[in-house]
Amino acid sequence: DADVTQTPRNRITKTGKRIMLECSQTKGHDRMYWYRQDPGLGLRLIYYSFDVKDINKGEISDGYSVSRQAQAKFSLSLESAIPNQTALYFCAAQDRSYGYTFGSGTRLTVV
Amino acid sequence: QKEVEQDPGPLSVPEGAIVSLNCTYSNSAFQYFMWYRQYSRKGPELLMYTYSSGNKEDGRFTAQVDKSSKYISLFIRDSQPSDSATYLCAMSMSGGGSNYKLTFGKGTLLTVNP
Repeated sequence: DADVTQTPRNRITKTGKRIMLECSQTKGHDRMYWYRQDPGLGLRLIYYSFDVKDINKGEISDGYSVSRQAQAKFSLSLESAIPNQTALYFCAAQDRSYGYTFGSGTRLTVV
Repeated sequence: QKEVEQDPGPLSVPEGAIVSLNCTYSNSAFQYFMWYRQYSRKGPELLMYTYSSGNKEDGRFTAQVDKSSKYISLFIRDSQPSDSATYLCAMSMSGGGSNYKLTFGKGTLLTVNP
């Protein structure tokens, strides 16, 4: 099993719909992150969490919310999806100062 | 000025070539330096991890950090078509808390032609 698992892998949704992207990790790390990746813009941080009770906004949090249900689970929600939220979304887990372990990504298309 | 600058390429080389990928940064507090490799439609995977200045070698890959110049490099020797991917540099500070959050370059797309 992958260390960081994201579901779904692909999703097409309509404008205005609420959608949740899920992430779970088996590494036991406290730190988890959500990024979106767009061509030419690189990885941009949406939200991050250093433990279950610690949630922080990243550089592009507007239109998104998160929930850290347990140490292993960190979900990203789009309350009312819009087309410019079409992107590749990545979840990552981190052990202190070390590098991130990324999931395989969710390709989201908002039509 | 962006904290981390990376030439997006694309970079196209013949098989067997030596590849040099580079990033510059502005924050002198960065202490941990990483290179990630990302294949198309996949998540980035950690390739090299170094602390502070110096070189680190792993097989065909060598990572160099020059903190005095705020410049890091990744060299790939005897490049193979399987090395074709996007390479992202990343770095973070020391001291715990949000200092460990990574700052990424935008990535360089590399194609190694057979």
